[in-house]
Amino acid sequence: NAGVTQTPKFQVLKTGQSMTLQCAQDMNHEYMSWYRQDPGMGLRLIHYSVGAGITDQGEVPNGYNVSRSTTEDFPLRLLSAAPSQTSVYFCASSYGARSYEQYFGPGTRLTVT
Amino acid sequence: TQLLEQSPQFLSIQEGENLTVYCNSSSVFSSLQWYRQEPGEGPVLLVTVVTGGEVKKLKRLTFQFGDARKDSSLHITAAQPGDTGLYLCAGAARGATNKLIFGTGTLLAVQP
Repeated sequence: NAGVTQTPKFQVLKTGQSMTLQCAQDMNHEYMSWYRQDPGMGLRLIHYSVGAGITDQGEVPNGYNVSRSTTEDFPLRLLSAAPSQTSVYFCASSYGARSYEQYFGPGTRLTVT
Repeated sequence: TQLLEQSPQFLSIQEGENLTVYCNSSSVFSSLQWYRQEPGEGPVLLVTVVTGGEVKKLKRLTFQFGDARKDSSLHITAAQPGDTGLYLCAGAARGATNKLIFGTGTLLAVQP
């Protein structure tokens, strides 16, 4: 099993550009989520999904869209990149939200200039 | 709004010393987890606690969930350089169990 995979590993965008961060898991997990990690802020929840076709907002959803058409994939779209979105983005999956181990991908380091 | 506050934010100690990291909230959590993250990687689960007052031990690491389920602590005995990393607590608040919220993190450096 590959676990949770994320692409790309690194990305540089100009302000106003759009892009999609890819996330896939092969563990048949129902719960998937996206976090951003900034210095001194820990991990902040952007969006999450409890199953295919179901998504909901986390703490910091503005400027990001998600969809969950399959159990395996959970892409994160930046609609119009801003410097404030410079961060490291982590995708995670698990059998459920609470009490279950979250399996994290290796992260995507995004810089917006 | 961040629900989980960790302290201290940074900790630099010598090999062999003991330390405690705290995770506090004004909210009640149905369960709480501790993760460790190394540079360039995603967090990895250390332990999950689900019962108020619960204590779990993992070799030199001792985890405790507060009686009121609002706080937790991680105690490391005789720290080693391999313990270096970012320690994160994470919990699902009652009434919002699908939203797993992470703490602000404690960066630990153990000097040989």
